[in-house]
Amino acid sequence: NAGVTQTPKFRVLKTGQSMTLLCAQDMNHEYMYWYRQDPGMGLRLIHYSVGEGTTAKGEVPDGYNVSRLKKQNFLLGLESAAPSQTSVYFCASFRDRGPGEQYFGPGTRLTVT
Amino acid sequence: GNSVTQMEGPVTLSEEAFLTINCTYTATGYPSLFWYVQYPGEGLQLLLKATKADDKGSNKGFEATYRKETTSFHLEKGSVQVSDSAVYFCALWDNTNAGKSTFGDGTTLTVKP
Repeated sequence: NAGVTQTPKFRVLKTGQSMTLLCAQDMNHEYMYWYRQDPGMGLRLIHYSVGEGTTAKGEVPDGYNVSRLKKQNFLLGLESAAPSQTSVYFCASFRDRGPGEQYFGPGTRLTVT
Repeated sequence: GNSVTQMEGPVTLSEEAFLTINCTYTATGYPSLFWYVQYPGEGLQLLLKATKADDKGSNKGFEATYRKETTSFHLEKGSVQVSDSAVYFCALWDNTNAGKSTFGDGTTLTVKP
């Protein structure tokens, strides 16, 4: 049982390049989330999904797109990377029952130059 | 809307000192409350939780009591160790918010030998 995994762990992009971050969970959770973490700013929700085929905007969605084609995967895309998107990205999942505990992946450190 | 306010850091303590990290919240419903811990280079992991008023969550020597009258969930530990050095996040979840959690900004704890 791997929990929540993220690919890749590190990435360096040039401004304007695109990339996709992959999040996978093997716990059959309904809800999945993408956050970014920046120094002094805590966690900010980018997009989330309440089930396969659904997505919704979070607090800071601009410049990102997401897809949830399969229940176990949640993809975060950057179409045209900007230096302001340099951050650590965390994926999380939640079962949809119970008190709301989220399970987090190990993070992806992205640098945009 | 919901909000979580955490004691500002960073907090630096000597080994075996007593720790308190304050957390207060605002919520429209009856939330569950959590403390998550993030060790360097890792994702967040659940430390403890409480799902209703007067519940006490505890784990690894840490404790927090859900106080509805003061809307607080302060984290305490009687004797910290160097290995407790991490960032601590207070969070709430309620089922009126489309499955989204609300996180505090995090408090960095450094324990010196």
